[in-house]
Amino acid sequence: DGGITQSPKYLFRKEGQNVTLSCEQNLNHDAMYWYRQDPGQGLRLIYYSQIVNDFQKGDIAEGYSVSREKKESFPLTVTSAQKNPTAFYLCASSPRSGGTGELFFGEGSRLTVL
Amino acid sequence: SQELEQSPQSLIVQEGKNLTINCTSSKTLYGLYWYKQKYGEGLIFLMMLQKGGEEKSHEKITAKLDEKKQQSSLHITASQPSHAGIYLCGADLQGAQKLVFGQGTRLTINP
Repeated sequence: DGGITQSPKYLFRKEGQNVTLSCEQNLNHDAMYWYRQDPGQGLRLIYYSQIVNDFQKGDIAEGYSVSREKKESFPLTVTSAQKNPTAFYLCASSPRSGGTGELFFGEGSRLTVL
Repeated sequence: SQELEQSPQSLIVQEGKNLTINCTSSKTLYGLYWYKQKYGEGLIFLMMLQKGGEEKSHEKITAKLDEKKQQSSLHITASQPSHAGIYLCGADLQGAQKLVFGQGTRLTINP
């Protein structure tokens, strides 16, 4: 079945550690996105990529990094520079680049910093 | 301030009652998307509205787009426990190359 797979679903990290969240899609979509969700704040865009080997910062990119070496994969690294990393992270993809259109979401990854 | 404002932020209704959630934009809307989320899960696409005056329905959920008011409303008729969750609106806004989201409306259905 086609879809977006995020892993891990739950992740615990000690302060000062980097952690990488995986996002893989087999929908052949060009565009991929990472959002962060906090209670009462909806979704905020971290990074997005409209084509392989290219990505742009979203509204809250500080303390995060991404790569887009393959069309199917868009991993997100939460670095130790991110001051408040505990959150629910959602990856999404869209068949349309240069715009948005309907987004298809993964099941999310919940990161907790101890 | 939010570019997309949803109201109310939280809603508790009795099963069988109707309800409406609103999503208002501070910028020109080029497309409006409604999603539903169960706690701790991903978002499920409900409907997309692109033209002023457009109205779409899916089962007991109807969404409308008022271009003049830069607003969309989501209406649920005869609510059921399965309708409980968080409803989020997302929009293509003027000048944006990304989907912007409202803060969400948490819907609880009491039996």
